[in-house]
Amino acid sequence: GAGVSQSPSNKVTEKGKDVELRCDPISGHTALYWYRQSLGQGLEFLIYFQGNSAPDKSGLPSDRFSAERTGGSVSTLTIQRTQQEDSAVYLCASSFSGLQETQYFGPGTRLLVL
Amino acid sequence: DQQVKQNSPSLSVQEGRISILNCDYTNSMFDYFLWYKKYPAEGPTFLISISSIKDKNEDGRFTVFLNKSAKHLSLHIVPSQPGDSAVYFCAASERGNKLVFGAGTILRVKS
Repeated sequence: GAGVSQSPSNKVTEKGKDVELRCDPISGHTALYWYRQSLGQGLEFLIYFQGNSAPDKSGLPSDRFSAERTGGSVSTLTIQRTQQEDSAVYLCASSFSGLQETQYFGPGTRLLVL
Repeated sequence: DQQVKQNSPSLSVQEGRISILNCDYTNSMFDYFLWYKKYPAEGPTFLISISSIKDKNEDGRFTVFLNKSAKHLSLHIVPSQPGDSAVYFCAASERGNKLVFGAGTILRVKS
Protein backbone atom coordinates (compact mmCIF):
# COMPACT_ATOMS: atom_id res chain seq x y z
CA GLY A 1 0.00 0.00 0.00
CA ALA A 2 1.01 3.64 -0.38
CA GLY A 3 3.15 5.13 2.33
CA VAL A 4 3.31 8.71 3.54
CA SER A 5 3.97 11.10 0.69
CA GLN A 6 5.23 14.64 0.83
CA SER A 7 5.50 17.40 -1.73
CA PRO A 8 7.49 19.07 -2.97
CA SER A 9 10.58 16.95 -2.40
CA ASN A 10 12.77 20.03 -2.67
CA LYS A 11 11.96 23.71 -2.32
CA VAL A 12 14.26 26.68 -2.79
CA THR A 13 12.85 30.04 -1.80
CA GLU A 14 13.99 33.54 -1.07
CA LYS A 15 14.07 34.97 2.40
CA GLY A 16 10.78 36.64 3.23
CA LYS A 17 8.62 34.46 0.98
CA ASP A 18 5.92 32.12 2.25
CA VAL A 19 6.09 28.38 1.59
CA GLU A 20 3.58 25.55 1.87
CA LEU A 21 4.60 21.96 2.41
CA ARG A 22 2.13 19.15 1.90
CA CYS A 23 1.75 15.75 3.54
CA ASP A 24 -0.49 12.87 2.53
CA PRO A 25 -0.62 10.36 5.38
CA ILE A 26 -1.27 6.65 5.08
CA SER A 27 -4.96 6.05 4.46
CA GLY A 28 -6.79 5.28 7.69
CA HIS A 29 -4.14 6.80 9.95
CA THR A 30 -5.74 9.25 12.34
CA ALA A 31 -2.54 10.71 13.79
CA LEU A 32 -0.21 12.99 11.85
CA TYR A 33 3.06 14.59 12.92
CA TRP A 34 5.40 17.21 11.51
CA TYR A 35 9.11 17.23 12.39
CA ARG A 36 12.06 19.29 11.27
CA GLN A 37 15.64 18.13 10.91
CA SER A 38 18.23 20.84 10.68
CA LEU A 39 21.79 20.05 9.62
CA GLY A 40 23.52 17.94 12.28
CA GLN A 41 20.46 17.91 14.50
CA GLY A 42 17.93 15.29 15.47
CA LEU A 43 14.31 15.33 14.50
CA GLU A 44 12.60 18.26 16.17
CA PHE A 45 8.89 17.85 16.88
CA LEU A 46 6.74 20.63 15.45
CA ILE A 47 3.05 19.71 15.62
CA TYR A 48 0.77 16.70 16.16
CA PHE A 49 -2.78 16.10 14.94
CA GLN A 50 -4.96 13.35 16.38
CA GLY A 51 -8.41 12.85 14.96
CA ASN A 52 -10.70 15.76 15.69
CA SER A 53 -8.80 16.86 18.78
CA ALA A 54 -7.10 20.23 18.97
CA PRO A 55 -3.56 19.86 17.59
CA ASP A 56 -0.53 19.90 19.85
CA LYS A 57 1.35 22.91 18.52
CA SER A 58 3.91 23.03 21.31
CA GLY A 59 6.86 22.43 18.99
CA LEU A 60 6.23 25.22 16.51
CA PRO A 61 9.27 27.53 16.77
CA SER A 62 7.49 30.80 16.04
CA ASP A 63 4.17 32.25 14.96
CA ARG A 64 5.45 32.22 11.39
CA PHE A 65 4.78 28.49 11.42
CA SER A 66 1.28 27.05 11.14
CA ALA A 67 -0.27 23.80 10.04
CA GLU A 68 -3.68 22.52 9.24
CA ARG A 69 -5.18 19.17 8.50
CA THR A 70 -8.23 19.16 6.29
CA GLY A 71 -10.82 16.43 6.50
CA GLY A 72 -8.64 14.42 8.84
CA SER A 73 -6.28 13.50 6.03
CA VAL A 74 -3.95 15.81 4.08
CA SER A 75 -1.93 18.30 6.07
CA THR A 76 -0.21 21.51 5.02
CA LEU A 77 2.64 23.14 6.94
CA THR A 78 2.96 26.83 6.14
CA ILE A 79 5.99 28.96 6.91
CA GLN A 80 5.44 32.67 6.48
CA ARG A 81 8.19 35.20 5.83
CA THR A 82 10.84 32.48 5.65
CA GLN A 83 14.23 33.02 7.24
CA GLN A 84 17.53 31.34 6.44
CA GLU A 85 17.40 29.42 9.71
CA ASP A 86 14.21 27.73 8.48
CA SER A 87 16.34 25.76 6.01
CA ALA A 88 15.95 22.11 6.98
CA VAL A 89 14.32 18.84 5.99
CA TYR A 90 10.67 18.85 7.02
CA LEU A 91 9.38 15.36 7.75
CA CYS A 92 5.80 14.24 8.09
CA ALA A 93 4.75 11.01 9.78
CA SER A 94 1.47 9.28 10.46
CA SER A 95 0.34 6.53 12.78
CA PHE A 96 -2.76 4.40 13.03
CA SER A 97 -4.02 6.10 16.14
CA GLY A 98 -2.08 8.02 18.73
CA LEU A 99 1.37 8.54 20.10
CA GLN A 100 1.77 4.92 21.21
CA GLU A 101 1.64 3.60 17.67
CA THR A 102 4.59 3.24 15.32
CA GLN A 103 5.09 6.35 13.24
CA TYR A 104 5.61 5.97 9.50
CA PHE A 105 7.59 8.73 7.90
CA GLY A 106 7.45 10.34 4.51
CA PRO A 107 10.61 11.10 2.52
CA GLY A 108 10.62 14.73 3.64
CA THR A 109 10.76 18.11 1.95
CA ARG A 110 14.20 19.70 1.77
CA LEU A 111 13.72 23.45 2.19
CA LEU A 112 16.48 25.91 1.36
CA VAL A 113 15.94 29.58 2.12
CA LEU A 114 18.38 31.83 0.31
CA ASP B 1 18.41 21.03 26.41
CA GLN B 2 19.05 17.71 24.69
CA GLN B 3 17.12 15.03 26.49
CA VAL B 4 18.32 12.31 24.12
CA LYS B 5 21.96 12.26 23.09
CA GLN B 6 23.84 10.20 20.57
CA ASN B 7 27.41 11.20 21.23
CA SER B 8 28.98 9.41 18.31
CA PRO B 9 28.17 11.19 15.05
CA SER B 10 29.55 8.29 13.02
CA LEU B 11 30.71 4.70 13.27
CA SER B 12 32.57 2.51 10.81
CA VAL B 13 32.45 -1.29 11.09
CA GLN B 14 33.70 -4.18 8.99
CA GLU B 15 31.09 -6.42 7.39
CA GLY B 16 30.30 -9.42 9.57
CA ARG B 17 31.38 -7.72 12.81
CA ILE B 18 29.17 -6.25 15.50
CA SER B 19 27.91 -2.66 15.31
CA ILE B 20 27.10 -1.01 18.62
CA LEU B 21 25.22 2.28 18.57
CA ASN B 22 24.79 4.15 21.83
CA CYS B 23 22.23 6.55 23.19
CA ASP B 24 21.97 8.39 26.51
CA TYR B 25 18.96 10.17 27.96
CA THR B 26 18.42 12.55 30.83
CA ASN B 27 14.68 12.34 31.51
CA SER B 28 14.05 9.58 34.06
CA MET B 29 10.34 9.65 33.14
CA PHE B 30 11.04 8.20 29.69
CA ASP B 31 9.60 4.69 29.59
CA TYR B 32 9.55 3.80 25.92
CA PHE B 33 12.52 3.79 23.58
CA LEU B 34 12.85 3.25 19.85
CA TRP B 35 15.44 3.06 17.14
CA TYR B 36 14.78 4.38 13.65
CA LYS B 37 16.93 3.87 10.58
CA LYS B 38 17.21 6.39 7.78
CA TYR B 39 18.62 6.02 4.28
CA PRO B 40 19.49 9.13 2.23
CA ALA B 41 16.48 10.84 0.63
CA GLU B 42 14.08 8.62 2.56
CA GLY B 43 12.16 9.10 5.77
CA PRO B 44 13.17 7.26 8.94
CA THR B 45 11.79 3.74 9.31
CA PHE B 46 11.02 2.05 12.61
CA LEU B 47 13.55 -0.61 13.54
CA ILE B 48 13.03 -1.85 17.08
CA SER B 49 11.65 -0.65 20.40
CA ILE B 50 11.88 -1.45 24.09
CA SER B 51 9.70 -0.68 27.06
CA SER B 52 11.25 0.31 30.38
CA ILE B 53 9.95 -2.88 31.98
CA LYS B 54 12.49 -4.82 29.91
CA ASP B 55 16.24 -4.61 29.64
CA LYS B 56 16.61 -6.39 26.31
CA ASN B 57 14.61 -6.84 23.14
CA GLU B 58 15.79 -8.88 20.20
CA ASP B 59 14.61 -9.01 16.58
CA GLY B 60 16.77 -11.02 14.24
CA ARG B 61 20.16 -9.37 13.90
CA PHE B 62 19.05 -6.39 15.97
CA THR B 63 19.09 -6.24 19.77
CA VAL B 64 18.36 -3.25 21.94
CA PHE B 65 19.66 -3.12 25.50
CA LEU B 66 18.32 -0.74 28.14
CA ASN B 67 20.18 0.23 31.31
CA LYS B 68 17.74 2.36 33.28
CA SER B 69 20.10 3.12 36.14
CA ALA B 70 22.63 4.53 33.70
CA LYS B 71 19.93 6.07 31.47
CA HIS B 72 21.60 4.39 28.54
CA LEU B 73 20.47 2.25 25.67
CA SER B 74 22.33 0.61 22.86
CA LEU B 75 21.55 -1.06 19.57
CA HIS B 76 23.59 -4.08 18.56
CA ILE B 77 23.64 -5.31 14.99
CA VAL B 78 25.18 -8.74 14.51
CA PRO B 79 26.45 -9.54 11.95
CA SER B 80 26.66 -6.16 10.28
CA GLN B 81 25.92 -6.01 6.57
CA PRO B 82 26.67 -3.31 3.99
CA GLY B 83 22.91 -2.69 3.66
CA ASP B 84 22.86 -1.62 7.29
CA SER B 85 24.78 1.52 6.34
CA ALA B 86 22.40 4.34 7.26
CA VAL B 87 21.72 6.97 9.90
CA TYR B 88 20.34 5.52 13.13
CA PHE B 89 18.17 7.66 15.38
CA CYS B 90 17.41 6.87 18.99
CA ALA B 91 14.06 8.19 20.31
CA ALA B 92 12.34 8.17 23.68
CA SER B 93 8.99 9.10 25.14
CA GLU B 94 6.91 9.09 28.28
CA ARG B 95 3.75 7.08 27.69
CA GLY B 96 1.24 9.29 26.01
CA ASN B 97 3.75 11.90 25.05
CA LYS B 98 5.59 12.80 21.89
CA LEU B 99 8.88 11.25 20.82
CA VAL B 100 12.16 13.00 21.52
CA PHE B 101 14.88 12.13 19.01
CA GLY B 102 18.64 12.10 19.22
CA ALA B 103 20.81 13.70 16.53
CA GLY B 104 21.59 10.38 14.87
CA THR B 105 24.67 8.24 14.25
CA ILE B 106 25.90 7.51 10.74
CA LEU B 107 26.81 3.84 10.44
CA ARG B 108 29.05 2.71 7.62
CA VAL B 109 29.55 -1.01 7.14
CA LYS B 110 32.57 -1.75 4.98
CA SER B 111 32.67 -4.85 2.80
